[in-house]
Amino acid sequence: GAGVSQSPSNKVTEKGKDVELRCDPISGHTALYWYRQSLGQGLEFLIYFQGNSAPDKSGLPSDRFSAERTGGSVSTLTIQRTQQEDSAVYLCASSSRMGGSYGYTFGSGTRLTVV
Amino acid sequence: GENVEQHPSTLSVQEGDSAVIKCTYSDSASNYFPWYKQELGKRPQLIIDIRSNVGEKKDQRIAVTLNKTAKHFSLHITETQPEDSAVYFCAAGPSGSARQLTFGSGTQLTVLP
Repeated sequence: GAGVSQSPSNKVTEKGKDVELRCDPISGHTALYWYRQSLGQGLEFLIYFQGNSAPDKSGLPSDRFSAERTGGSVSTLTIQRTQQEDSAVYLCASSSRMGGSYGYTFGSGTRLTVV
Repeated sequence: GENVEQHPSTLSVQEGDSAVIKCTYSDSASNYFPWYKQELGKRPQLIIDIRSNVGEKKDQRIAVTLNKTAKHFSLHITETQPEDSAVYFCAAGPSGSARQLTFGSGTQLTVLP
């Protein structure tokens, strides 16, 4: 596609429910990243996928968080048993190598509110 | 791992003045330093980047400088305009691979008309 697409754009869920957030990266981008941005805060790294390699999950805050990337394209971030502190904007980015560096293109994010 | 610190957290300038945002990083292996601009409610967008083989890069009213010895880099915006008002994030990471960038905490820039 022309850009990184994320869905839904907004999600309100009850505490304890599971949610799935979707990211459709730019076609041909081999790297895909998930970041979390809490209100007024910076970008917190969650997980990174590169091609068919095992993902780098070092940023996931707890085992309630998981992500997969099917066929090297679309990725789904799943949060189980959501808590109020999970409320944030979840940003996905994809990148490809350009001139020796990887410039990210971000999606518009999913604003998750846990009530 | 990498640690990026960004200052100031908020910055107000008069229209037409210059704005400078500074970042430091900890990992000497980092050699790619992008800057992102995030307008209210929108996605972060890359505005300029620099790699460690250069010390300065300019693009119209914005410039980035890098001091690899001191491990710090800065964003300079000249002749600021109200549309420059946004949150700016610096980041650091290794080039040549797709490993994740580490972001600073952001600077809220307000340009006063």
